[in-house]
Amino acid sequence: EAGVVQSPRYKIIEKKQPVAFWCNPISGHNTLYWYLQNLGQGPELLIRYENEEAVDDSQLPKDRFSAERLKGVDSTLKIQPAELGDSAVYLCASSLAGLAGDEQFFGPGTRLTVL
Amino acid sequence: GDSVTQMEGPVTLSEEAFLTINCTYTATGYPSLFWYVQYPGEGLQLLLKATKADDKGSNKGFEATYRKETTSFHLEKGSVQVSDSAVYFCALSSVGNEKLTFGTGTRLTIIP
Repeated sequence: EAGVVQSPRYKIIEKKQPVAFWCNPISGHNTLYWYLQNLGQGPELLIRYENEEAVDDSQLPKDRFSAERLKGVDSTLKIQPAELGDSAVYLCASSLAGLAGDEQFFGPGTRLTVL
Repeated sequence: GDSVTQMEGPVTLSEEAFLTINCTYTATGYPSLFWYVQYPGEGLQLLLKATKADDKGSNKGFEATYRKETTSFHLEKGSVQVSDSAVYFCALSSVGNEKLTFGTGTRLTIIP
């Protein structure tokens, strides 16, 4: 079974430029998560989707971040414009039904460096 | 809100030593508790979990018991190996707040 796929793996951009990250969850998984992981910290949720609906986006900085999950499968996370403080690892995860006890499966992450 | 407090690292042990990584939590209701591990160059993966009080999660020789009275979920292993070197994250998820809330992680290094 294929795992969660993310691309790109690494991205270096100048500040104020836009950037987009793509995630393909495990087939059949209805719930998709985007997490932000700063160096030396645990991941923190940015947004959670149930199928194509964003059910928790309370931690997403909506002035510069946006996300979509068209057709309830792949998802894209965008930052425009990027700031120096956005340098971090962006993780995508998926789970079968989004229940509290469900295992979340993580992708390898996209490491973003903003110069 | 939900939070996880994890033992500060890094932790360095000799091979075959006993390991304990402490984890305590604060949550409304009865959360599910997890230990995730990140091996060098790899993504986060589930190590073990427990979904109700007094449950014991176990995998690869690691164990953790859900202690409601002390709000703890300490990770233990009787004899560590060099291959256990990784970063370990304690996490929780609650009904009505079905995201993972992570601790800061503990970097474990095992020396031969």
